Amino acid sequence: DVKVTQSSRYLVKRTGEKVFLECVQDMDHENMFWYRQDPGLGLRLIYFSYDVKMKEKGDIPEGYSVSREKKERFSLILESASTNQTSMYLCASSLFSGTRILPYNSPLHFGNGTRLTVT
Amino acid sequence: DAKTTQPNSMESNEEEPVHLPCNHSTISGTDYIHWYRQLPSQGPEYVIHGLTSNVNNRMASLAIAEDRKSSTLILHRATLRDAAVYYCILRDGGYNSGNTPLVFGKGTRLSVIA
Repeated sequence: DVKVTQSSRYLVKRTGEKVFLECVQDMDHENMFWYRQDPGLGLRLIYFSYDVKMKEKGDIPEGYSVSREKKERFSLILESASTNQTSMYLCASSLFSGTRILPYNSPLHFGNGTRLTVT
Repeated sequence: DAKTTQPNSMESNEEEPVHLPCNHSTISGTDYIHWYRQLPSQGPEYVIHGLTSNVNNRMASLAIAEDRKSSTLILHRATLRDAAVYYCILRDGGYNSGNTPLVFGKGTRLSVIA
């Protein structure tokens, strides 16, 4: 089974701190994603990556950056944490599929999330 | 990706079948229909996906209308462990669509009563 591991289940940080959320997957997946989930707003995509050192902005990238130095690891960085970044953060990975034989439908595998509180 | 519409919530009795509807009237020819669910305190998990034909796997069945404007996720015997939020998502599977991420809506919250 694919395992996506997020480094912390719960995290409490102060406003202005630099915060690193780490995600590791063990299935050699090319694609990795960061979402945040808030009550009433559902899951929203922050950033994603198709390969090492590649990154693409999602729907809400402001205030975040990412790093993909190794294929198995995708880090989400809050340069200066703010209270409106208090949320559940979910990491996911999937196999790259971009051929006529295998269309873009590889399932996403999610971690169990990191609940970040910024005070 | 085209939009889907799901009821906000549904309720089912334990050990009875559950039919979770999803409307997607603007679906395009290359859109696949995906279902994910999210159990309490966990990340979403993949359930099933299909294009035109009905699909079955160990978790559920997916019934797709002939015109593809709606689909139904079927849980054959609901258990208490099936209580979750169920998301119906359309994903472009066309070769030139790019490896686009999933876009989640609000989903349907399923409650299962013992």
